[in-house]
Amino acid sequence: AQKITQTQPGMFVQEKEAVTLDCTYDTSDPSYGLFWYKQPSSGEMIFLIYQGSYDQQNATEGRYSLNFQKARKSANLVISASQLGDSAMYFCAMRTYGNNRLAFGKGNQVVVIP
Amino acid sequence: DAMVIQNPRYQVTQFGKPVTLSCSQTLNHNVMYWYQQKSSQAPKLLFHYYDKDFNNEADTPDNFQSRRPNTSFCFLDIRSPGLGDAAMYLCATSGLGQVISYEQYFGPGTRLTVT
Repeated sequence: AQKITQTQPGMFVQEKEAVTLDCTYDTSDPSYGLFWYKQPSSGEMIFLIYQGSYDQQNATEGRYSLNFQKARKSANLVISASQLGDSAMYFCAMRTYGNNRLAFGKGNQVVVIP
Repeated sequence: DAMVIQNPRYQVTQFGKPVTLSCSQTLNHNVMYWYQQKSSQAPKLLFHYYDKDFNNEADTPDNFQSRRPNTSFCFLDIRSPGLGDAAMYLCATSGLGQVISYEQYFGPGTRLTVT
């Protein structure tokens, strides 16, 4: 079974600062992918970044980077230079090979303050 | 732009009155999903189609049905909505179901209110 854990309480972040969102996962499948999604108050889920279990390097997409520590089964999202528009709920999700389903964590609420 | 479209964005229905939510996609993806998301919770997968193959989640109530008449369209039917069915309903698509790295593309959602 796949399981994603996001346990941080809601976070307030100062504009222009970096923020790290924690995500740990559990799977016995050696082949899997990890995703982060952003969900603003409007409701749409926006894909941010992907990390494959066999990827040697940590994924980066603009201001988003993923701190992937395979042995610890963690895939933390780092948002650099926070902007007011980054205020949203952030979900970590996992998919294993051959499975069309995404397992979601409970999400992290981030509020960026000026 | 290629995208996932959901109509309507807001739907109000009466307790017990059937309602249909629609989703269309221009991405030509072969997998389409329906999620239910309640306030401050993660999306919960109701079912998905891999091409024409329907895959129901074990805990999805019988009250929820789905149709996929063609690649582009997918419908969510709630036969007798209860107050507990009030939620955001998200449609998503994904290409090439066996490829792990293919992310799911989400529509803007339909917020359902049951009165």
